[in-house]
Amino acid sequence: EAGVAQSPRYKIIEKRQSVAFWCNPISGHATLYWYQQILGQGPKLLIQFQNNGVVDDSQLPKDRFSAERLKGVDSTLKIQPAKLEDSAVYLCASSLVPTDSPLHFGNGTRLTVT
Amino acid sequence: SQQGEEDPQALSIQEGENATMNCSYKTSINNLQWYRQNSGRGLVHLILIRSNEREKHSGRLRVTLDTSKKSSSLLITASRAADTASYFCATDARDYKLSFGAGTTVTVRA
Repeated sequence: EAGVAQSPRYKIIEKRQSVAFWCNPISGHATLYWYQQILGQGPKLLIQFQNNGVVDDSQLPKDRFSAERLKGVDSTLKIQPAKLEDSAVYLCASSLVPTDSPLHFGNGTRLTVT
Repeated sequence: SQQGEEDPQALSIQEGENATMNCSYKTSINNLQWYRQNSGRGLVHLILIRSNEREKHSGRLRVTLDTSKKSSSLLITASRAADTASYFCATDARDYKLSFGAGTTVTVRA
């Protein structure tokens, strides 16, 4: 099966600019996750979708981050405006069911904010 | 917030040796999962162990779970250079969200 696709692979922007990341999950996976991984740390859940509804976004900085999952398939994560502390790898993952099945991760987007 | 904490933070072993890392967590869980991350890549699922299970094996990997101590261990036997990676435990604290620890970085020396 094809894996989770993410783009772009790398992005460099200046602070206060905006950026968007795209994710295409594994076909048939109802649950989609966006994680933020700062260098040297474990992934932190930003938002979790079940089909096209939000299950959890308690750790999403909603004043600057937004995410949507169109038609329960692809998803985009946007940051506007970016801050220096947003420099991280943004990982998208999908699973058949929430947490009771393995998560399949994409290779992530490495964001550098200067 | 991070539910699981891995120990040690880093581990360096000779090829052919065994590597053991531990994960402790704070609240009751539905299941615990272990993942591997090679440098610059996404995480890869290794093993899922449910709260009513005590031990699982997959190839050279052995995972144990002790719910009374709220801890798990991952053993890699006969390590290889390709096992060099960061290893993360992740817990589902009965809220259907998977929380990751900070990871153990394993270096296997040739």
